[in-house]
Order: sequence, then structure tokens, then C-alpha cells
Amino acid sequence: ELKVEQNPLFLSMQEGKNYTIYCNYSTTSDRLYWYRQDPGKSLESLFVLLSNGAVKQEGRLMASLDTKARLSTLHITAAVHDLSATYFCAVENTGNQFYFGTGTSLTVIP
Amino acid sequence: SAVISQKPSRDICQRGTSLTIQCQVDSQVTMMFWYRQQPGQSLTLIATANQGSEATYESGFVIDKFPISRPNLTFSTLTVSNMSPEDSSIYLCSVADRVYGYTFGSGTRLTVV
Repeated sequence: ELKVEQNPLFLSMQEGKNYTIYCNYSTTSDRLYWYRQDPGKSLESLFVLLSNGAVKQEGRLMASLDTKARLSTLHITAAVHDLSATYFCAVENTGNQFYFGTGTSLTVIP
Repeated sequence: SAVISQKPSRDICQRGTSLTIQCQVDSQVTMMFWYRQQPGQSLTLIATANQGSEATYESGFVIDKFPISRPNLTFSTLTVSNMSPEDSSIYLCSVADRVYGYTFGSGTRLTVV
């Protein structure tokens, strides 16, 4: 079974600071996804990364994928309170099944 | 992206009873997926549901406990049978969307008392 690990699990950061969330996975995959989940809500798609070296940016969030290292990063630039949420990466296997990371609970402190 | 209507959004059930969760998609999809998210945890895939065939269950999940129906390409149900407090979780359905990433239903928050 594909294993997906995220770190850190919990992240408390001040507004205006930068930080990176890491997602490591255990087997070959060219498809990685990032999601955001607000408390009590479903998952919102943030990024779809479909090839080695893919980089996507939306606002203060930037995601990248290194398939050789089996690593994706979600970089947060100049954090604001609205970014407080839980962030999940997910890796798709050849059977179109998703395996989710452990999640990173982000709290941005004013 | 596909739009999924999931219901009920929440329920409180007595132990030993069963609850059926429904997901309706606004377009035809080959595969639908069912996930469980226990409190404070990540999502765990329960099963993959293809139309016209039996669902494929992940390790630790069995058909007797989580029967799934997939009568057509836009609809699926998941039943949580003979519930116990350990089944208290959020249950989500999902469909594949290669452009937007997999799309999820709004979730069913189940509490078993």
C-alpha cells in the first residue's frame, strides 16, 4: 500500500512569515494533489501536480513536485489568518485510488 | 468540475442500527470512491465503486459492514451497518476529475450513541 507522510503535523506561524509543508510518498507516482479542509467542511482542491518539476502558484501558496525524490512541497508566503486550515496532500496510484497524507493543521497567529 | 450532492449531511444514530449515505453526481463517472475521516485524522479509502460490478474494498473494510451500491453512473450509496461508537466519523464520497483534482462531496458527519 502506498504510504504518504506529511510534516509537520501541526504548524503555528505568525502572520507575514514564510513556511513549507512537506509531503513524502513511498512509491512511484506522477500525480499529486493538495487539498485544504476547513473545520467541519469537505475538501477543497488547491493544486494538481501531474509531472516531475511541476510548480503551481495561487496567491500566497506555491506547490511543487519532485517525482524522483517522491516529494512535494507546499510553500506559504507571508501567511495571513485566512490560510488557517488543515492541508492534505494526496497521491494517486495506477488504479486511480487516492492515498492521503496525514494532514498539516496550520494556525496563523496575528 | 463535477458537482456532488451528498446526504444526509449529519446524523446521530443508535448503536446496532444502519445508516445509508447517498451521493449523486451531476455527470456520469466511471468510478466513485468512499472515504472515512475519523476525528482529527486524515482520510482513509474505504472502497472503490464501479458501475455494474462489486465494489473493491481496502484492507480493513468489508462488504458486510460497509455495503455499497452503484446502480448507475451518477449515483452511489454507502451503508454503515450494525453501527458502534467507533464508526463515528465523517464519510465522504469522491469522483475523479483529472483537471481539478478529485472532487469530494460535502461529507456526512455520523455520530453513534
